[in-house]
Amino acid sequence: EAGVAQSPRYKIIEKRQSVAFWCNPISGHATLYWYQQILGQGPKLLIQFQNNGVVDDSQLPKDRFSAERLKGVDSTLKIQPAKLEDSAVYLCASSQQKNTGNTIYFGEGSWLTVV
Amino acid sequence: AQSVTQLDSQVPVFEEAPVELRCNYSSSVSVYLFWYVQYPNQGLQLLLKYLSGSTLVKGINGFEAEFNKSQTSFHLRKPSVHISDTAEYFCAVSDSGGYNKLIFGAGTRLAVHP
Repeated sequence: EAGVAQSPRYKIIEKRQSVAFWCNPISGHATLYWYQQILGQGPKLLIQFQNNGVVDDSQLPKDRFSAERLKGVDSTLKIQPAKLEDSAVYLCASSQQKNTGNTIYFGEGSWLTVV
Repeated sequence: AQSVTQLDSQVPVFEEAPVELRCNYSSSVSVYLFWYVQYPNQGLQLLLKYLSGSTLVKGINGFEAEFNKSQTSFHLRKPSVHISDTAEYFCAVSDSGGYNKLIFGAGTRLAVHP
């Protein structure tokens, strides 16, 4: 079974530029997550989708971050304009359902460096 | 709201020695508990989880963890570590009655030396 796919793996941009990350979850998984992992910290949830609807985006900095999952499968996370503090690994994850206790599977992450 | 504290940021240990990685949590509601492992330049992989039932949970790669409700702890143990266990380990909690949202600790770096 294919895992969670993410691209690009690595990206370096200048501050105030924009960047987009793409995620393809495990086939059949209804719930998709984007986490931000800053160096030396644990991952922090940015946004959770159930199919193509948003379940939780309480920690998404909406003035610069946006995410969509238009057809309930793939998802894109965008940052515009980027700040130095956005340097982090962006992890996409998926689970079969949104019910707590379902195993969440993570992709390998997209590493962002803002200079 | 929930929070997770991993009491050690780094744990050095020699190969074939036992290891314990400590995790304490705080929550006003009933929780589920998880341990994930992250190898260099990779995503997170689930080691084990506690949902209900026996408080001793066995996971992959010979790891186990014990849920202690009175101590609000979920420590991870392995009786004999290998060089390949060198990685970052994250403890996480989710609200058992809510959505599947994981709150992670800051992580513990396990360094196994020959």
